[in-house]
Amino acid sequence: GIQVEQSPPDLILQEGANSTLRCNFSDSVNNLQWFHQNPWGQLINLFYIPSGTKQNGRLSATTVATERYSLLYISSSQTTDSGVYFCAVVTGNTPLVFGKGTRLSVIA
Amino acid sequence: KAGVTQTPRYLIKTRGQQVTLSCSPISGHRSVSWYQQTPGQGLQFLFEYFSETQRNKGNFPGRFSGRQFSNSRSEMNVSTLELGDSALYLCASSLATHTGELFFGEGSRLTVL
Repeated sequence: GIQVEQSPPDLILQEGANSTLRCNFSDSVNNLQWFHQNPWGQLINLFYIPSGTKQNGRLSATTVATERYSLLYISSSQTTDSGVYFCAVVTGNTPLVFGKGTRLSVIA
Repeated sequence: KAGVTQTPRYLIKTRGQQVTLSCSPISGHRSVSWYQQTPGQGLQFLFEYFSETQRNKGNFPGRFSGRQFSNSRSEMNVSTLELGDSALYLCASSLATHTGELFFGEGSRLTVL
């Protein structure tokens, strides 16, 4: 099946810093989503981005489908950005497959 | 517009018991998927339902089952609980199929003692 690799696995930032999270996938996809898992476990939708670039406030994402990767940018990080960020993809008729996530800690 | 609602949010069971979890999708959404999250295995797909039919099933034993009702609400059942079934169970809904954007509920956290 499709492989989804996220890097880095852990990231510690000072408040106000910028960061880039990466998601590599092993096959062509027809759905790619980025999620933020909050401390209570809920997966919050960040982006639905099978290709192209989107921005939402301090967050933006780019997916280069032909090169099989996606990037999530977080600018001017805040402590509330802490948590685990997941990339998940769908290829063909398979269900959503998740990467192992990037655990982000933003310290004041 | 209400989001995906899962009940119960927390529950504690003992080995050998069975449990039923419920998921109400976003109004108008017809596809419901279930995922299990554990520290060791991450997020793993359990099953997907669309219009009361199971479309996909993950690699879980037959103790895990589910169904979807005509109003798109879904339930999953785990029988003969084992310690390893302790996990966060997440439900997601989408408009048509899993290839569209998925929206997740807050999850049901199951502890098996």
